[in-house]
Amino acid sequence: DGGITQSPKYLFRKEGQNVTLSCEQNLNHDAMYWYRQDPGQGLRLIYYSQIVNDFQKGDIAEGYSVSREKKESFPLTVTSAQKNPTAFYLCASRWGQGATSGANVLTFGAGSRLTVL
Amino acid sequence: KQEVTQIPAALSVPEGENLVLNCSFTDSAIYNLQWFRQDPGKGLTSLLLIQSSQREQTSGRLNASLDKSSGRSTLYIAASQPGDSATYLCAATGGGANNLFFGTGTRLTVIP
Repeated sequence: DGGITQSPKYLFRKEGQNVTLSCEQNLNHDAMYWYRQDPGQGLRLIYYSQIVNDFQKGDIAEGYSVSREKKESFPLTVTSAQKNPTAFYLCASRWGQGATSGANVLTFGAGSRLTVL
Repeated sequence: KQEVTQIPAALSVPEGENLVLNCSFTDSAIYNLQWFRQDPGKGLTSLLLIQSSQREQTSGRLNASLDKSSGRSTLYIAASQPGDSATYLCAATGGGANNLFFGTGTRLTVIP
């Protein structure tokens, strides 16, 4: 079955460490997204990518980095510069590029919960 | 900037009751409105997507409506079941690939 796989499901990080969250999709979607979810808040966009080798900052990109070397993969690195990284991270994708992708269903992975010790 | 609001933040109903969840948005220039379900500690599951040209969409016991002029969408759940207990989020999509705005959700509890 097609879908989005996020790993690991749970991750613990010591302060000062960089960690990378994996997101892989086999839906042949062009656009991929990373969101952060905190209790009592809506989802906030970290980064998005519409095509391989291209990505754009979202509303809260500081302290995060991404790459899009393959269409199927959009890993997120949480760097030591992110002051409050403990959160639930969600990866999503949808078909289409640019303005046309807005008309399509957004599909989410199961999420990765990051805790800083 | 688009703002999406969901009220109430939490709702409890007895099993079998019909219920309506509300979603309001400030900018009527949207591509579509999407409803999601999120179980605790899980990702979001898409329930219904209403394009801006549509008035409603139905899937089983779920019916979502869209009124762009008033900036409102509703999700109607018929004959609620304990398995419907979850957080329901709505998201409005504006023009472009990144203009997706989420509400904070309504946490629904269906009491057996």
